[in-house]
Amino acid sequence: QKEVEQDPGPLSVPEGAIVSLNCTYSNSAFQYFMWYRQYSRKGPELLMYTYSSGNKEDGRFTAQVDKSSKYISLFIRDSQPSDSATYLCAMSGLIIQGAQKLVFGQGTRLTINP
Amino acid sequence: NAGVTQTPKFRILKIGQSMTLQCTQDMNHNYMYWYRQDPGMGLKLIYYSVGAGITDKGEVPNGYNVSRSTTEDFPLRLELAAPSQTSVYFCASSSSVGGGNTIYFGEGSWLTVV
Repeated sequence: QKEVEQDPGPLSVPEGAIVSLNCTYSNSAFQYFMWYRQYSRKGPELLMYTYSSGNKEDGRFTAQVDKSSKYISLFIRDSQPSDSATYLCAMSGLIIQGAQKLVFGQGTRLTINP
Repeated sequence: NAGVTQTPKFRILKIGQSMTLQCTQDMNHNYMYWYRQDPGMGLKLIYYSVGAGITDKGEVPNGYNVSRSTTEDFPLRLELAAPSQTSVYFCASSSSVGGGNTIYFGEGSWLTVV
């Protein structure tokens, strides 16, 4: 069983739709949860992060973590064509000597159609 | 703003050849990382460093070596290249102790071993 599971998609939705992206994980030691956005031929960029359980909102993006179910989600409201990218969930446990060793999901390729 | 800079962007290697992927960051970050990303997969940690002179193995270190002689530079050496090392390589850096700190990624290096 993979430590982090993410549906690779692809996912295609019309502009303005609400998008839901999800990951499940098996390691109960994970404390820090992140979502990265990766455009084609580019490096990942941090979109959202959450520590432990709870919700976090930033503009059109909302991240949710449910540690009891080992399930995290990213919601995108009023989706735009510029949101078309691959979205990667990532998580880590305790920090070792200050370095954060992330475990990534496979990534979900999202296309927003105008 | 340079951030994390990787060279080369693209490279084709023959089986058995060796090469070094260069990575430099201008943000004075202590922590640096090398990840690889295979098609349809998330990123996997190869090596990381918590400061000059200190490196450690990640999840998939076999076939690679690193060194960290300065804060800025973290080169990744491939010895005796194999087709299994065909991948996209990302260098990253971060600062501070504690989770959720932004990890900045470079643009990636596309490597093909034939």
